[in-house]
Amino acid sequence: ETGVTQSPTHLIKTRGQQVTLRCSSQSGHNTVSWYQQALGQGPQFIFQYYREEENGRGNFPPRFSGLQFPNYSSELNVNALELDDSALYLCASGQQGPTYEQYFGPGTRLTVT
Amino acid sequence: QQQVKQSPQSLIVQKGGISIINCAYENTAFDYFPWYQQFPGKGPALLIAIRPDVSEKKEGRFTISFNKSAKQFSLHIMDSQPGDSATYFCAARPSGSARQLTFGSGTQLTVLP
Repeated sequence: ETGVTQSPTHLIKTRGQQVTLRCSSQSGHNTVSWYQQALGQGPQFIFQYYREEENGRGNFPPRFSGLQFPNYSSELNVNALELDDSALYLCASGQQGPTYEQYFGPGTRLTVT
Repeated sequence: QQQVKQSPQSLIVQKGGISIINCAYENTAFDYFPWYQQFPGKGPALLIAIRPDVSEKKEGRFTISFNKSAKQFSLHIMDSQPGDSATYFCAARPSGSARQLTFGSGTQLTVLP
């Protein structure tokens, strides 16, 4: 059982609004990544934070932004929501090193209407 | 651009049978190949992973076979059980600081009792 938690579980927003999703990593993990999983698809990498700094980004526009805090929590912020942003948003945490493994949380289901 | 191709899209196996899922990749910078299992409403759970310096890794009923020259790897589930019914994703990750996962499109496995 992973120690990664996410909130909220489900969220419904209107097009154009802004949303903040939250993740709590396992204690000791210094890296957190966020992924977007559309229905019936594999997760797509959004970005990664290592020691509170973004150190990698996928093919997502700047309206997707994030933060990582010293207490192992992190946020994903999405501005100007579009209908295509409807998806399951997953965070994954891990400890950087030779055997770096990533553990996923249960996700937040975002619906944009 | 899909960098990890996964097949089949769906698979139906009788209880006790062998389930085989295949993946192919293009990026030779990938150096870590995990498989994730995902149940409905849950985040992906790490099942087993392999690095390209070995050709096979076995953990219980799950085996990864890896062919570096062909840039292919596969998951074998021996003695498949109804509880194995889930969606399986292969993934790949490059070396380097960001180390984001690139996922395949998923295989929905159904094991009939």
